[in-house]
Amino acid sequence: GDSVTQMEGPVTLSEEAFLTINCTYTATGYPSLFWYVQYPGEGLQLLLKATKADDKGSNKGFEATYRKETTSFHLEKGSVQVSDSAVYFCVLLRDGGYQKVTFGIGTKLQVIP
Amino acid sequence: DTEVTQTPKHLVMGMTNKKSLKCEQHMGHRAMYWYKQKAKKPPELMFVYSYEKLSINESVPSRFSPECPNSSLLNLHLHALQPEDSALYLCASSQEPPGAGGNIQYFGAGTRLSVL
Repeated sequence: GDSVTQMEGPVTLSEEAFLTINCTYTATGYPSLFWYVQYPGEGLQLLLKATKADDKGSNKGFEATYRKETTSFHLEKGSVQVSDSAVYFCVLLRDGGYQKVTFGIGTKLQVIP
Repeated sequence: DTEVTQTPKHLVMGMTNKKSLKCEQHMGHRAMYWYKQKAKKPPELMFVYSYEKLSINESVPSRFSPECPNSSLLNLHLHALQPEDSALYLCASSQEPPGAGGNIQYFGAGTRLSVL
C-alpha cells in the first residue's frame, strides 16, 4: 500500500537557519503530494502542493520539488523564523480509485531566537 | 475563502453524555471528512461524505455517528464515548470527492474533545 516516510524530529534550529525536512513516499501511479502545517492548538493548513513529477510547490518561502526518480518531496526554506515553529506533515494523495490520503508521521520544528 | 468552521473548539463530556460536533463550509465542496488526531500523531480518517452520502467508513465504532444534513454541514454525534476517544477531531472538505485528481483537502481548526 501507499506510505509516506518523513523524519520524526523534533528539529531544532536557530532563527535564519536553513531548513530541510525529508519526505519520501511509496505509491503506485502518479500521486499528488502536499505539505501541511499544523500550528500549536490548530488544524492543518495547506502549505504547498505538487501534482506531477518535477513540479515545484512554493509558499511563504517554503519550497518542495516532486522528484519521481527518488520518490521524494523534501521541504526546504532558506531562512526560518520563530513563527515557523509548528508540525509539518508530508501527505500523499493517490490518483484515481479510492483516494484516501496518506499522512507522514509529522515533523515538529522548533525555531529558537 | 477556504474556510472550514468547526464548533465547539473545546468539549468536555462524561461517558454517558450525548454531544455533537459541527462542521460547516461554504465553498461548494462536494466532499466532507471527519478525522481523529491523537497527540503527536497524524490525523486518522474516520468518515467521508460525497454528495451528502456516506461513502467511506473506516470501521469506526458505532458510538460515533456522522450526519450530513446538507451540502454545507457535517455533524458528528457522540454517545457513550470512552476516555480513549479523547482527541482532536478535525473536519475537512474538498472540491471533488475522492477519485478526482489533485484533490486538495481544507481543514478546520478542530474540536478538542476530552472524555471523563
